[in-house]
Amino acid sequence: DVKVTQSSRYLVKRTGEKVFLECVQDMDHENMFWYRQDPGLGLRLIYFSYDVKMKEKGDIPEGYSVSREKKERFSLILESASTNQTSMYLCASSLEDLWGGSGGNEQFFGPGTRLTVL
Amino acid sequence: EDQVTQSPEALRLQEGESSSLNCSYTVSGLRGLFWYRQDPGKGPEFLFTLYSAGEEKEKERLKATLTKKESFLHITAPKPEDSATYLCAVQGMDSNYQLIWGAGTKLIIKP
Repeated sequence: DVKVTQSSRYLVKRTGEKVFLECVQDMDHENMFWYRQDPGLGLRLIYFSYDVKMKEKGDIPEGYSVSREKKERFSLILESASTNQTSMYLCASSLEDLWGGSGGNEQFFGPGTRLTVL
Repeated sequence: EDQVTQSPEALRLQEGESSSLNCSYTVSGLRGLFWYRQDPGKGPEFLFTLYSAGEEKEKERLKATLTKKESFLHITAPKPEDSATYLCAVQGMDSNYQLIWGAGTKLIIKP
């Protein structure tokens, strides 16, 4: 079974702090994603990475950065946390299979990190 | 513009009362349509991938079907443990790995 783990289930930080959210997957997936999920807004993509050291902006990258130094690990960084970044953060991974023939495009999610910024 | 709309927003059923959830999509060439289940406070759990119209997949009390414009998630004789939010997502042919997500249907099964 695919397993995606996230470093914390719950996190409380203060405005202006630098926050690191870590995600690790154990299935040798090429692609990794960071989403945030807010009531009424659904899942929104922050950043994704299709290879080590490669990254692309998603729909809402402002205020965030990412790092992927190893294939299995993808980190989300809030350089200076703000109260509007209070949210549920979800990490996901998927195989690289552009044509979907072998079902490689499904994303598998971690348990989520509930971040509160005070 | 690629778009996914799920209906209804919420659905309350009695245990054993079968029903269907709808996912309508607009995408420039479908690469795949995905169904997920999400329990409160947890990450989405992958259920099914559908690739072409006419395709069907089943898992326990759930059956997903696909047409050229929509997908249905049929729930047969549901149990209280089937209560969750069900999410639908699509990937278009010109998508660089990204999925377009629906807002979800919150399903409540009363015993």
